[in-house]
Amino acid sequence: DSGVTQTPKHLITATGQRVTLRCSPRSGDLSVYWYQQSLDQGLQFLIQYYNGEERAKGNILERFSAQQFPDLHSELNLSSLELGDSALYFCASSEGAGGYNSPLHFGNGTRLTVT
Amino acid sequence: GEDVEQSLFLSVREGDSSVINCTYTDSSSTYLYWYKQEPGAGLQLLTYIFSNMDMKQDQRLTVLLNKKDKHLSLRIADTQTGDSAIYFCAAVPSGGYNKLIFGAGTRLAVHP
Repeated sequence: DSGVTQTPKHLITATGQRVTLRCSPRSGDLSVYWYQQSLDQGLQFLIQYYNGEERAKGNILERFSAQQFPDLHSELNLSSLELGDSALYFCASSEGAGGYNSPLHFGNGTRLTVT
Repeated sequence: GEDVEQSLFLSVREGDSSVINCTYTDSSSTYLYWYKQEPGAGLQLLTYIFSNMDMKQDQRLTVLLNKKDKHLSLRIADTQTGDSAIYFCAAVPSGGYNKLIFGAGTRLAVHP
């Protein structure tokens, strides 16, 4: 158990809808990261937050947004969903912000299916 | 930008050693990681190595880094059926932060 909690485990929704994925980092970790895992794109970095502030941005679509709250949990909001958004969404956390010796610990993911 | 490549599939006999290979392009990458993903599960951190090291050993796992060739390998000694999983190599590219760049993953199949 990595200590990173993601809810829900599974989500099935229709095209055009909006969903929210939630992540609670490991105790003591200040950084939260979101990754998308799909069959054709592999594991893609979406966004990183550190102590409530956006730290780094990757291949995140404009239809997607995220935030990190004062209690350090994070939410990833996906809107105007398309079939191609179906994927496994992982949250990870680390102790530091950008220090290299701060490995990422991953949650078990939320599997999103868009029908 | 950084690109990480791995072979997609490896099959070994139980009890043999497995060697999973990875190459990366950014010579400035400072940390390189190995993660394991079992079916339906998240990514489990196995080990990582700093770029000023050549080798790191942790029980049955040995990581070798050839910085000149930008080649990383993970050796699993005495491979067991429980080691069957997808193994991901990941690198931290130059520019800081922690946005790991992952390879496509190597599926390890262990057969009796």
